[in-house]
Amino acid sequence: KAGVTQTPRYLIKTRGQQVTLSCSPISGHRSVSWYQQTPGQGLQFLFEYFSETQRNKGNFPGRFSGRQFSNSRSEMNVSTLELGDSALYLCASSPYGPRDEQYFGPGTRLTVT
Amino acid sequence: GESVGLHLPTLSVQEGDNSIINCAYSNSASDYFIWYKQESGKGPQFIIDIRSNMDKRQGQRVTVLLNKTVKHLSLQIAATQPGDSAVYFCAENPEAYNQGGKLIFGQGTELSVKP
Repeated sequence: KAGVTQTPRYLIKTRGQQVTLSCSPISGHRSVSWYQQTPGQGLQFLFEYFSETQRNKGNFPGRFSGRQFSNSRSEMNVSTLELGDSALYLCASSPYGPRDEQYFGPGTRLTVT
Repeated sequence: GESVGLHLPTLSVQEGDNSIINCAYSNSASDYFIWYKQESGKGPQFIIDIRSNMDKRQGQRVTVLLNKTVKHLSLQIAATQPGDSAVYFCAENPEAYNQGGKLIFGQGTELSVKP
């Protein structure tokens, strides 16, 4: 069974640009969550999607957005990038939500210069 | 604010010894807790979970203890092996978010196993 895949694995962007990250969940999983991981703030919840609907959102500015497609694949977008957005972005999938075992992808390392 | 904190940022143990990693949580409404292991270059990996109606749960070489009175969680690893070297995170899921995917993570403890 294939695991959670994230593309791209590494990304370098300039301040002010926008970026789109992709996550393909494990087959059959309908819940996809996104997290930002930084050395200073640790792992912070961005948002979660289930059956194309955002069920919950973390405390991030509106520049961070996401969506989920009918095949459960998810994308997140960050507009007007700031230096502080440099981080590892992780997605996790599970069958129905966080109380099922969540499987994390390897993450996308975003560097903003 | 919402936070799940760890008492020690680093822990070094000898191979074969038992390891204990601690975690304090602040949200009294949390009723589900998980421990994750993250190796360098990889995403977090589920280790074990526990619900608030339990105070102990055992897995393979791991035990999680929950003390709701003092809002404390611990992960015990028996016979620690070099492959256990990683960063360990505790996470909580407040009941209000049980269908909303929100996990609140601690800062992490780096476990180093000396051969």
